[in-house]
Amino acid sequence: GESVGLHLPTLSVQEGDNSIINCAYSNSASDYFIWYKQESGKGPQFIIDIRSNMDKRQGQRVTVLLNKTVKHLSLQIAATQPGDSAVYFCAEPHAGGTSYGKLTFGQGTILTVHP
Amino acid sequence: GAGVSQTPSNKVTEKGKYVELRCDPISGHTALYWYRQSLGQGPEFLIYFQGTGAADDSGLPNDRFFAVRPEGSVSTLKIQRTERGDSAVYLCASSRGLGTEAFFGQGTRLTVV
Repeated sequence: GESVGLHLPTLSVQEGDNSIINCAYSNSASDYFIWYKQESGKGPQFIIDIRSNMDKRQGQRVTVLLNKTVKHLSLQIAATQPGDSAVYFCAEPHAGGTSYGKLTFGQGTILTVHP
Repeated sequence: GAGVSQTPSNKVTEKGKYVELRCDPISGHTALYWYRQSLGQGPEFLIYFQGTGAADDSGLPNDRFFAVRPEGSVSTLKIQRTERGDSAVYLCASSRGLGTEAFFGQGTRLTVV
């Protein structure tokens, strides 16, 4: 069956450092991935997405890398700020699904940024 | 409204009671999703609506859970005979359509005592 999981449950960095959050997936047919940020007491917030025909996609201070060979994706945050402290989830649409709202989420990584 | 609104923010109920959780999606969004998030876990899909109909309810854990969206806008998640294991944050999300980004509300924290 499909699964989306994370290597590191926690990550602690200093303000200004770059952060890298990793995610492994098992369904080789997956064609779309999303990263969400969830702050305490709030719902998940869309950060960036990537389709399987791409290896890299950049946003504002964030970059997602996709390695289909090893079924791994990562989220890189440049110049991490205290406001980036949150739980980060990778997610993908359920296998065979056409809805980008019916998602399978990974366990999550807690990012803590120290001033 | 500007975003997905969920009420109440917090709900404490006694075991065996019935509860209703409300979701107001973003205006114009036709798709609406319910998720449940247990402590330390990622959200788990429960059900989604396209318009008024439940397009996929495969994530509902058992027949104590039910959701409606009678007019294609506001949705209510209903839980009968609540159990302590139902305690979680219930998240609602909406999107313009099935192939577009979903926006989440802040969730309702349900505690069954």
